[in-house]
Amino acid sequence: AQSVTQLDSQVPVFEEAPVELRCNYSSSVSVYLFWYVQYPNQGLQLLLKYLSGSTLVKGINGFEAEFNKSQTSFHLRKPSVHISDTAEYFCAVSGGGTSYGKLTFGQGTILTVHP
Amino acid sequence: DARVTQTPRHKVTEMGQEVTMRCQPILGHNTVFWYRQTMMQGLELLAYFRNRAPLDDSGMPKDRFSAEMPDATLATLKIQPSEPRDSAVYFCVVGGITEAFFGQGTRLTVV
Repeated sequence: AQSVTQLDSQVPVFEEAPVELRCNYSSSVSVYLFWYVQYPNQGLQLLLKYLSGSTLVKGINGFEAEFNKSQTSFHLRKPSVHISDTAEYFCAVSGGGTSYGKLTFGQGTILTVHP
Repeated sequence: DARVTQTPRHKVTEMGQEVTMRCQPILGHNTVFWYRQTMMQGLELLAYFRNRAPLDDSGMPKDRFSAEMPDATLATLKIQPSEPRDSAVYFCVVGGITEAFFGQGTRLTVV
């Protein structure tokens, strides 16, 4: 079975400050890791994904994430946030075995960027 | 995402009525998922299909929910009878193990 824990339910931050949204996962098989963003009244959009290779993954809108296998983490970072980054962010894992193709999501982190 | 069209976008219905939600994935994506999003439970997987065959519907209340994929460009999720606790946003998602594309969702309110 696979699971995802997002360690912060809400993260307030001021504009132009750096931010880190934390995500830990557990899985008994190799995994693929994702971060999605959800704006109000919309579906989820893919920010970035880790499939293999370099552990530092760059995504859209200036976000990046680092896969750390030993700590089973996939934290999302942005060096300088904008008001428009205010949204809910979801970490997700998919993998093989009996869970093939199924995305398991964390509970989400609401990022609020203040002026 | 343009790869997935969901209808209706909003639905308000009375308790006990049947509700049908539709999903039209663009051809070429052979895996279709139904997720439900609520404030309390977050995103829950209800069911999914691969090549139109149901693979897992263990997340779905079997007595009132049913999911089908009659052809490669149409997936349906039905609730009969609907209950207020079914109020949620229902997402159709297409993709596979390395990618997933969300529809805009159907916001269901059961009164």
